[in-house]
Amino acid sequence: QKEVEQDPGPLSVPEGAIVSLNCTYSNSAFQYFMWYRQYSRKGPELLMYTYSSGNKEDGRFTAQVDKSSKYISLFIRDSQPSDSATYLCAMSEWRDDKIIFGKGTRLHILP
Amino acid sequence: NAGVTQTPKFRVLKTGQSMTLLCAQDMNHEYMYWYRQDPGMGLRLIHYSVGEGTTAKGEVPDGYNVSRLKKQNFLLGLESAAPSQTSVYFCASRSAAGTSTNNEQFFGPGTRLTVL
Repeated sequence: QKEVEQDPGPLSVPEGAIVSLNCTYSNSAFQYFMWYRQYSRKGPELLMYTYSSGNKEDGRFTAQVDKSSKYISLFIRDSQPSDSATYLCAMSEWRDDKIIFGKGTRLHILP
Repeated sequence: NAGVTQTPKFRVLKTGQSMTLLCAQDMNHEYMYWYRQDPGMGLRLIHYSVGEGTTAKGEVPDGYNVSRLKKQNFLLGLESAAPSQTSVYFCASRSAAGTSTNNEQFFGPGTRLTVL
C-alpha cells in the first residue's frame, strides 16, 4: 500500500459545480496536510494547509482532515474554468525533513 | 524576490552525455529538494539537503548526484544520461522543520529534459 493514495482523474465538472478532491494515507504520524495546485507546465504552489484534524476555509476552498479515517478532502465551491489544474495532496510528520505527495488529480472545469 | 529559479528551462541530451541543473533560491531557506515528475508517477524525490554542505538520498537517487556548496544553490548532476531520465525536474526549498507555521515548499518553474 502506498503511503498516500490519490485518484489521478481526470475529473471533469461543469462551471459552478462543487468539486470534491480526496486523498487517503496510511501513516498515522502525519500532522501537516497540504493541497498544492499545479497549472500546466508550471511548478506546484501551496493552496491550503491544515495542521492536525479539522476544517479550514479560504474563500471558495475548504480543506478537511479526518485523522481517524486517514482521509483528507479539498472542496471547491462555485468552480471556475481557472480552477482547471492538477491538485496534489501532500502531508508530513511533525518536524520531518520530507513531504510526501500524492500523484495528483487532474481537474477540468467545463465552461 | 525571485523565489526559486531553475536553469536551464529546457534541454535535450544524447545518451551518455552529462549535464548539471542549477537551482537557486533567495528566501534564505535551509532545506532544498530535487524532484522528478513523470506522467502517472507524481512527484518523486531524488535528493535533498537540510543545509549547506549536506545532502541525502530520496526515493529515486540512482543516476544522479547533487551538491550544496552554497546555501542558496542546489545542483543536480547527471553523469551519464539515459532515456529513462527524460522527465520534468523541479527544485523546491523551504524553511527548516519546526521553524515556520506550515511546511510549505516553494517550487521552481521546472526543467524539461529529454534524453535521446
